[in-house]
Amino acid sequence: DTEVTQTPKHLVMGMTNKKSLKCEQHMGHRAMYWYKQKAKKPPELMFVYSYEKLSINESVPSRFSPECPNSSLLNLHLHALQPEDSALYLCASSQVPGPLHFGNGTRLTVT
Amino acid sequence: GESVGLHLPTLSVQEGDNSIINCAYSNSASDYFIWYKQESGKGPQFIIDIRSNMDKRQGQRVTVLLNKTVKHLSLQIAATQPGDSAVYFCAEKQGSGAGSYQLTFGKGTKLSVIP
Repeated sequence: DTEVTQTPKHLVMGMTNKKSLKCEQHMGHRAMYWYKQKAKKPPELMFVYSYEKLSINESVPSRFSPECPNSSLLNLHLHALQPEDSALYLCASSQVPGPLHFGNGTRLTVT
Repeated sequence: GESVGLHLPTLSVQEGDNSIINCAYSNSASDYFIWYKQESGKGPQFIIDIRSNMDKRQGQRVTVLLNKTVKHLSLQIAATQPGDSAVYFCAEKQGSGAGSYQLTFGKGTKLSVIP
């Protein structure tokens, strides 16, 4: 088990659906991250939140919309996704200095 | 779509032997490096980290070596066990802001332990 909890574990959605991925941590970390990982590839950074404000957006398409309601929660809202967006979506948190702590991800399939 | 036939570098090691996983990093200004282990169906798990003011750091059964001259990082696992089978990623800190930083991952190495 990890200290970063992601829900749901698996998600199948159509290209016209709207869904949200959720992430929660209670380690008091003030930085939270979304990464995307395709099969047999390393995780790729999507977004960084620092003190609940978006600090980095790695040129992610607008069909992905992050939200940080408070210091413990991070959401990723999904709308009008494409099949190539199917991947493992990983949430992480950190304090600086210190390593990122990852959840076990949401396996997303877009049909 | 996904690349067909893309393979991770693989290292096969006999149980009980030592494993060495290598990583080349890109940014000579990087000052913080982390090794992660990722098992199938799970997220990356922190193993050990090292700052650029050090060239070696030891943990339980693991040692990380940093050679800044050639921008090379290695992870040594002593007495490798079947539970060590996983994909191992090195990661480097690329940039930082107030309270956060960008972590960029290397391509990964798949470690297979032969019982």
